[in-house]
This record gives sequence, C-alpha cells and structure tokens, in this order.
Amino acid sequence: GAGVSQSPSNKVTEKGKDVELRCDPISGHTALYWYRQSLGQGLEFLIYFQGNSAPDKSGLPSDRFSAERTGGSVSTLTIQRTQQEDSAVYLCASSLAGAGGSYNEQFFGPGTRLTVL
Amino acid sequence: DQQVKQNSPSLSVQEGRISILNCDYTNSMFDYFLWYKKYPAEGPTFLISISSIKDKNEDGRFTVFLNKSAKHLSLHIVPSQPGDSAVYFCAASGSGTYKYIFGTGTRLKVLA
Repeated sequence: GAGVSQSPSNKVTEKGKDVELRCDPISGHTALYWYRQSLGQGLEFLIYFQGNSAPDKSGLPSDRFSAERTGGSVSTLTIQRTQQEDSAVYLCASSLAGAGGSYNEQFFGPGTRLTVL
Repeated sequence: DQQVKQNSPSLSVQEGRISILNCDYTNSMFDYFLWYKKYPAEGPTFLISISSIKDKNEDGRFTVFLNKSAKHLSLHIVPSQPGDSAVYFCAASGSGTYKYIFGTGTRLKVLA
C-alpha cells in the first residue's frame, strides 16, 4: 500500500519568496503532523491536524508559517517570505488516531529538503 | 528546554557486537516511548516502542529497556549488522496526547 508521500522532494528558493510543501498521508489516517529537522537538530514539532482542524499550531515558528488540510487528507505547509533560517528538511507524518498509545505509530514521509539562498 | 535528550550524537560498533543507544527524558508524565530509525533521504521508520507499564520490550534483535525512576531508556541491537547503520531517534509521549517529543538522534555506524 502507499505510504506517506511529500512533494517536492527538494526545493531551492530565494530569500523572500513563498513556498508550498505538500503532504499526502496514508488513506484513512485522521491525524497528520508536520515536523522540521534543521541541520544537527532533532525533529521539531510544527503543527498537528485531526481531520481538517489543527488543535495545536504551537510549533509554527512565526506567522510566516501556515498550514491547511482539506478533505481530511492532503495538507500543505506554506512559508511566506522565506528566510535562510527556514532551510531544513520538512517531514510530514500521519497516524490512525491522535491519542497516545500503541495505535498511534506515526508513519513518516521522505521529507522535503528546503534550501533558502 | 530539551525534554528528550540523546547525549551521544554518534556511535561506532563492530559488526556482530552489541549497540546500545541511550535516551533520557525529563517529563515524568511521559508514559509511551518509541524508537525510530532514519536512513539518509528517507523519513524515519518506526522500530520499537515501550509503554511505561513495562520495563523491557523485545523484537528480534532489538530490545528497549525503560528505567522509569532514572527517566532513562535504551535501545539494544544485538548482533549489530552493517544495515543497522542509520540515525536513531527516541520519542516520548504522554497518555492521551497526540504529540511526540523527539530527541536529537544518534548516528550509529556498524563497521564490517
């Protein structure tokens, strides 16, 4: 079966431009997560979706970052006016349910490597 | 404040020997822990988990140990194989929550 997919796999952009990153979760997974991994860092939580709503956006680093999810499926993470410090690998994950426990294994996509020049 | 810490950024082990990866946490409300493995240019993949009601969970060559009083968990891989070379992340979650807190990862290199 298909896993979590993300596009593009790589994105190089100029400082100040807007970028959109896409995530296609596993079909039927109600929970969707965005993480960021900067060089030498762990996975930094950005935002969590349960269905189409985002109960927790606390990890978004600034108001330049936004995300939406439509139809309980595809999600897009938008970064406006990109800065060099936004350069990182952006990872998306999905899970069957949003509560902690053994059924909440998160399945990750391959990530989008964003480079801001 | 790093709630989940992996203090060893890298580890090298000879093939066939045991690999021990360590993880410490500070939040006593965490009660579910996972290990993920990440190869370059791929997303992390789930490896093994443990609930706080247990102190050990085993799956083939992989065993996770949890010491709640010390707020410490470890992943043992035995015997280590070159294909185990990857970055390993530990993650922790509290009961009924959705958010996992990840450590910074340990890069394991298994030497043939």
